[in-house]
Amino acid sequence: EPEVTQTPSHQVTQMGQEVILRCVPISNHLYFYWYRQILGQKVEFLVSFYNNEISEKSEIFDDQFSVERPDGSNFTLKIRSTKLEDSAMYFCATRREGGTGELFFGEGSRLTVL
Amino acid sequence: GQQVMQIPQYQHVQEGEDFTTYCNSSTTLSNIQWYKQRPGGHPVFLIQLVKSGEVKKQKRLTFQFGEAKKNSSLHITATQTTDVGTYFCAGRPVRSSGTYKYIFGTGTRLKVLA
Repeated sequence: EPEVTQTPSHQVTQMGQEVILRCVPISNHLYFYWYRQILGQKVEFLVSFYNNEISEKSEIFDDQFSVERPDGSNFTLKIRSTKLEDSAMYFCATRREGGTGELFFGEGSRLTVL
Repeated sequence: GQQVMQIPQYQHVQEGEDFTTYCNSSTTLSNIQWYKQRPGGHPVFLIQLVKSGEVKKQKRLTFQFGEAKKNSSLHITATQTTDVGTYFCAGRPVRSSGTYKYIFGTGTRLKVLA
C-alpha cells in the first residue's frame, strides 16, 4: 500500500539552528500538509500546499517556517532558527484529488530543540 | 480562531464496556473526519461524514454528525484492547478553501483494561 515517508525520524538540534524536514508524498496526491503535535497534545495544522504554492497557513506558521517542493517529489518544511518551543512531532500528510478527502499521514519526524 | 473540542480528554474502560467521545466545533463544518492514533503512531483515517444528521457504522464503531454540523460523536461498542489509542475528530470549516484544511480536535485518549 502506498505510504507517505518522512525523514529524518528524529532530529536533535541546538536552539537557533536551521532544520529541514522532508516528506515524500504518495505519487498521485496533489495536496500536501504539515501538521505538528507537541507530546501528548492535539494535532495542529501548520500549512497546506497545492499547485506549488501555499494555500492556507496557521498562526503558528510564521516567518521562521517555509515549505517548498524543490524537485517535484520531496515536500520540505524548513525552520530557519529553531526555538525550544518548536520541539514536537511534525507530520506530513497528503491527499489526492477528489475521493473521501482522507489525509494520509507519514510516520512523523520528531524534532528536539536543546 | 476556530476551535474543535473533544470530551472526555481521557477514558479508561474495562474490556467489553462501551465508549463514546464527543466533538464540538465553535463554527459550522463542511464535513468531519475521525482519526485514530495509536501510542507512538501517526493519525490513521477512520471515516468522513458530510451530511447533516449522518450516521455511519464500521463494525463496532458508530459515527454521527450533528444536525447543525457543529458536533459529532464516535461510539465504540464492546471495547477491545486493540481499541486503545487517541481518537481525534477533524473538521473542515465551511469557509475553508478548496485545499481541505482540517482542524483537529483536542482528542480523547482511550485505555482499555483487560
